[in-house]
Amino acid sequence: SQELEQSPQSLIVQEGKNLTINCTSSKTLYGLYWYKQKYGEGLIFLMMLQKGGEEKSHEKITAKLDEKKQQSSLHITASQPSHAGIYLCGAFMEYGNKLVFGAGTILRVKS
Amino acid sequence: DVKVTQSSRYLVKRTGEKVFLECVQDMDHENMFWYRQDPGLGLRLIYFSYDVKMKEKGDIPEGYSVSREKKERFSLILESASTNQTSMYLCASSSGFLNTEAFFGQGTRLTVV
Repeated sequence: SQELEQSPQSLIVQEGKNLTINCTSSKTLYGLYWYKQKYGEGLIFLMMLQKGGEEKSHEKITAKLDEKKQQSSLHITASQPSHAGIYLCGAFMEYGNKLVFGAGTILRVKS
Repeated sequence: DVKVTQSSRYLVKRTGEKVFLECVQDMDHENMFWYRQDPGLGLRLIYFSYDVKMKEKGDIPEGYSVSREKKERFSLILESASTNQTSMYLCASSSGFLNTEAFFGQGTRLTVV
């Protein structure tokens, strides 16, 4: 089973619409990361959250780590075709040095 | 710019062959990771290393081994390739834990026939 659960698994939105992707853990998260991946390529770093309640934005993408540090959400405002891809959350879990990732959310944006 | 370079983008190997996937980073990072990525399963950690000659098993180490003889290079070895090891393999490196970005290579798409 995945230590990080992402939802939804896939998403199709009309261009211009807002959307949210969630990442949930049963354990306390330390250093929650969001990455984006174009099909068949490496991962591109979007942002990192460390503190409970922390929120960061980059262009039209905002991510937040909840107070208990067990869930993060990624919100895209006014989606564009360039936002299409796979979004992955990753985290160093409570114990050890393992950097683990969720299964990813496939985002398609219809023009 | 930080660079993580994987030796091949595409690789086709035969069942039973010994396969080496190489990863090199140029930022003097202590930590290096190997993942495989399969549809619907995301990135699954195979092995990671936090120092030269040190290695730790990830979640799916069976059928794989690793080598880290130098700080900048982390090799993934498939001792006897099987068709179920056909996958996208991604290497990553980071300078620490918990508070630092991990940088990824472009990936190696391995097909075992």
